[in-house]
Amino acid sequence: AQRVTQPEKLLSVFKGAPVELKCNYSYSGSPELFWYVQYSRQRLQLLLRHISRESIKGFTADLNKGETSFHLKKPFAQEEDSAMYYCALGPLNAGNMLTFGGGTRLMVKP
Amino acid sequence: DSGVTQTPKHLITATGQRVTLRCSPRSGDLSVYWYQQSLDQGLQFLIHYYNGEERAKGNILERFSAQQFPDLHSELNLSSLELGDSALYFCASSFGQGFGSPLHFGNGTRLTVT
Repeated sequence: AQRVTQPEKLLSVFKGAPVELKCNYSYSGSPELFWYVQYSRQRLQLLLRHISRESIKGFTADLNKGETSFHLKKPFAQEEDSAMYYCALGPLNAGNMLTFGGGTRLMVKP
Repeated sequence: DSGVTQTPKHLITATGQRVTLRCSPRSGDLSVYWYQQSLDQGLQFLIHYYNGEERAKGNILERFSAQQFPDLHSELNLSSLELGDSALYFCASSFGQGFGSPLHFGNGTRLTVT
């Protein structure tokens, strides 16, 4: 069975501080991993995905197969980063049948 | 605006009843996915349709069914409702079927079973 765990329901940091949103997964095969974000009063949307190895809005995520983690990081948090973040996992070549974690609410204080 | 439209926004009904949730995908998208988000849980994949055909099933109960119509809109039917079915039901659409086509989510339908 596949599972995604986001151990922190709430993460509160000050503007300019580094941010790390944790995501751990369990999956027997080779997964594809994603981060989705939901800003206040907006829809859930894709932030970034492992396969693209991109940096979006200053966020990056590295897949660590040994630790089965896909933590989301940003060196300097901005107030506009405040949102709900969801880590998601899907089997390779299996479409968008994703398993989501429970989400972490990031609050960036001024 | 992602263009995915879900109706109704809120639905309150009693146990044992049957409801239908509707989803209109973004213009041009052929895939529709349904997800369920219960309180304090992550989104759980229910079912995927592509161009009118069922492509994959997740943890969808037998009391639940779905279909995608020729105009590509989709309906999720929930019957013999139980208190535990109270949740936020999301529809998402994408152009294709794979990871190359990111999901675009609707605003969800909040179902409350009393």
